[in-house]
Amino acid sequence: DIQMTQSPSSVSASVGDRVTITCRASQSISSWLAWYQQKPGEAPKLLIYAASSLQSGVPSRFSGSGSGTTFTLTISSLQPEDFATYYCQLANSFPWTFGQGTKVEIK
Amino acid sequence: QLQLQESGPGLVKPSETLSLTCIVSGGSISSKTHYWGWIRQPPGKGLEWIGNIYYTGSAYYNPSLKSRATISLDTSKNQFSLKLSSMTAADTAVYYCARDRKVETGFDYWGQGILVTVSS
Repeated sequence: DIQMTQSPSSVSASVGDRVTITCRASQSISSWLAWYQQKPGEAPKLLIYAASSLQSGVPSRFSGSGSGTTFTLTISSLQPEDFATYYCQLANSFPWTFGQGTKVEIK
Repeated sequence: QLQLQESGPGLVKPSETLSLTCIVSGGSISSKTHYWGWIRQPPGKGLEWIGNIYYTGSAYYNPSLKSRATISLDTSKNQFSLKLSSMTAADTAVYYCARDRKVETGFDYWGQGILVTVSS
């Protein structure tokens, strides 16, 4: 099975900062990767699919890039509502796998 | 607007089988462009994919669950279900049902989640 490694596990940032989260696959998954945001007590929310496509309704400050084995989620200018935990998810072949998560905290 | 709602017991005894149902409204589980999935999250931990089912009844599971999971469809009631056998304390988690897109990929609609605690 393909393993997903997400880094960092946490990041402290200020409003307005640029934040980048990385997800690495143990083998090539082309562009079959999704990114989610989860706030405490809530279900995850799909942000990015197919590595770089923005889900409908998601602010344009979120962007995804990468292909093959290395992917990034970038928040261009962190807003107060963006403090949350972010997960990547392998989506090329079963079994699906989630990354370990990255908690974005207030600095 | 598609909505998913999990239902089932909040407390299960060790060694018993958990049965959860996801009721889907605002869309059909007979869709050829979607899977229907279950994901869980132990308290304070990350997300774990349990499995997906397609409208044909074909199901795909996380091998880490060692065949304890069974997902089924009830098209007459527009709902799908999860059974997880031989429950232990390690299975205590919030269980989510969600819609998974077959082409664009990604779970785009989620239920609110149901906390299942395993305790005697």
